[in-house]
Amino acid sequence: DQQVKQNSPSLSVQEGRISILNCDYTNSMFDYFLWYKKYPAEGPTFLISISSIKDKNEDGRFTVFLNKSAKHLSLHIVPSQPGDSAVYFCAASAAIQGAQKLVFGQGTRLTINP
Amino acid sequence: KAGVTQTPRYLIKTRGQQVTLSCSPISGHRSVSWYQQTPGQGLQFLFEYFSETQRNKGNFPGRFSGRQFSNSRSEMNVSTLELGDSALYLCASSLTGPYNEQFFGPGTRLTVL
Repeated sequence: DQQVKQNSPSLSVQEGRISILNCDYTNSMFDYFLWYKKYPAEGPTFLISISSIKDKNEDGRFTVFLNKSAKHLSLHIVPSQPGDSAVYFCAASAAIQGAQKLVFGQGTRLTINP
Repeated sequence: KAGVTQTPRYLIKTRGQQVTLSCSPISGHRSVSWYQQTPGQGLQFLFEYFSETQRNKGNFPGRFSGRQFSNSRSEMNVSTLELGDSALYLCASSLTGPYNEQFFGPGTRLTVL
């Protein structure tokens, strides 16, 4: 049961354009969402997060949008740069049955073409 | 400030053996979480330790266990290794827990033959 899904395993975008990475979740109890970026041979690094009480959070070139009714979040990168080429994971967390639950998506490989 | 370190970086074992992986968190971080990354499944949460106690656990069999020491260093043990245990094992540390920002180590690549 994949509660957090990133349906696009890969995405290719031209340098300077907008990159949009998508993530869907099924459990309405998730109340905090995070995006991580991972380069080969390194651990993931935190990018940006959003609480369920918000619908948008912005940090420099990165903006995360949350649509609770659609159970969908997206990460926008504008403008895209070659260094943004990496695997991006979305994650969702919630307190469920007394325990904190954190679930990651499968990841989307973003390639920025010069 | 030193980052999260994991040892060893690479490991090759055979089926039936057991393995112990080590993680040293960022100084001052009391929460250590472990994840398994495989190509088809992405990042899957194994368990989290906070102040030497397992606080949360994912859906993995009992062959996967862990512990945390008083200096917050953590070890993960996998007994009776199976081919499907081949994966990248990541450890992450944070001040309060994995549900906010956490810092990942580079991982241990385990290959089971």
